Order: sequence, then structure tokens, then C-alpha cells
Amino acid sequence: EAQVTQNPRYLITVTGKKLTVTCSQNMNHEYMSWYRQDPGLGLRQIYYSMNVEVTDKGDVPEGYKVSRKEKRNFPLILESPSPNQTSLYFCASSFSPSYEQYFGPGTRLTVT
Amino acid sequence: ELKVEQNPLFLSMQEGKNYTIYCNYSTTSDRLYWYRQDPGKSLESLFVLLSNGAVKQEGRLMASLDTKARLSTLHITAAVHDLSATYFCASPHSGSRLTFGEGTQLTVNP
Repeated sequence: EAQVTQNPRYLITVTGKKLTVTCSQNMNHEYMSWYRQDPGLGLRQIYYSMNVEVTDKGDVPEGYKVSRKEKRNFPLILESPSPNQTSLYFCASSFSPSYEQYFGPGTRLTVT
Repeated sequence: ELKVEQNPLFLSMQEGKNYTIYCNYSTTSDRLYWYRQDPGKSLESLFVLLSNGAVKQEGRLMASLDTKARLSTLHITAAVHDLSATYFCASPHSGSRLTFGEGTQLTVNP
């Protein structure tokens, strides 16, 4: 089954404790992207990747890091999480930015 | 900076009625995407509009794109309860980036 998976689905952590949210897709997509969703703000793009070892900033990259060492994986790293990073995070992938994106199930992160 | 604005943000309508959701975007783009999100769920793609004048229909939903006016519409015909969801439009820019609108929360009442 074609899908985008994210782990964990729910995470409660404390300020400053490094964490990684994993994202994996099995559709051989080149384009992958991370978004955060906050009430009233829609989805905002954090980082995206056009291919292996090619990543770039979206609209709200501050406080986040990503890597793309393999085509299928695109982890989101929060080196020192803060409460303003409490949000619902979605990973998405597609063949290219021109195509529809397939979204993962979401990760709800709470930073206390 | 690209802005994508949807209106209305909240829409409550009766079953059987028609309505249109509007999506305006601020910079030149030749394509536009519509997504649907059910409560507590992820997003799924509804329409990919790839050129000026593009029109796509799926069931009771029809989307169109006017790149000159920088406007896309999502028209709902004879609404049914199953269409209750949040609808997002999204516009690509700067080559590979994607900006979403705030979303329109649609509630269809019996």
C-alpha cells in the first residue's frame, strides 16, 4: 500500500530535549516536505527536499533541521524544542512540487 | 511573500444548497491545489489545477482556476453531510515551495 508514515504519532516532551520525528514514504517520490498546522494559520511549510541531499527552507524553518540521506526518509529534528513549537506536524511527499502531495497521518507534539 | 487567502473561513450550510469557496493568491502562479481534511485526520488531495481556465469536477465539487485574477473557486452543488470538512487551497511559489490558505471549515446541516 502506497503511504507516508510518521513516528511518533503523539509526543509530549520538555523544553530543550532534542527530538526527531521520522517520516518515510514507499512511493519513490523525490519531493518531500514538512508542515506544521496551527489553528487559524492553515499549514505552513517548514522545510522541503527536492531529492537526496537537497533540502531547503520553507516559510517557518527557525528551530528545525532536516536531513535527506535516503530517498524514502525525511526526518524532522528539533534540537532544542520550545513551547511555541507545540503543533500538529505533517510530512508529505510527491513526485515533484507540481504534483499532488500525499500526506502522512500527522504527529501531535506538545512541548512543556 | 506569497499570501493565500480563503473566504469564507467558516461556512455552515443546509443540505441541498449550493455555495462557493474562494481562494485568492498574491503572486503569479499557473497552478493551484485543493485539499480536504476531515476532523482529526490528515489531508487528502482533491484537485490539481495546472493552467489558466482549468476546471475539474468530482461528484458535487467543482474547482476552477483563473490565473489572471489569481483566483480559484471551489463550488459545492447540492451539499450533503459527507462534505463536512475543512478545505484548503495551496499555491506553489519560488520554484518548489507551497503556501496554504487558512482553510475553510464547512459544516453541512441536515
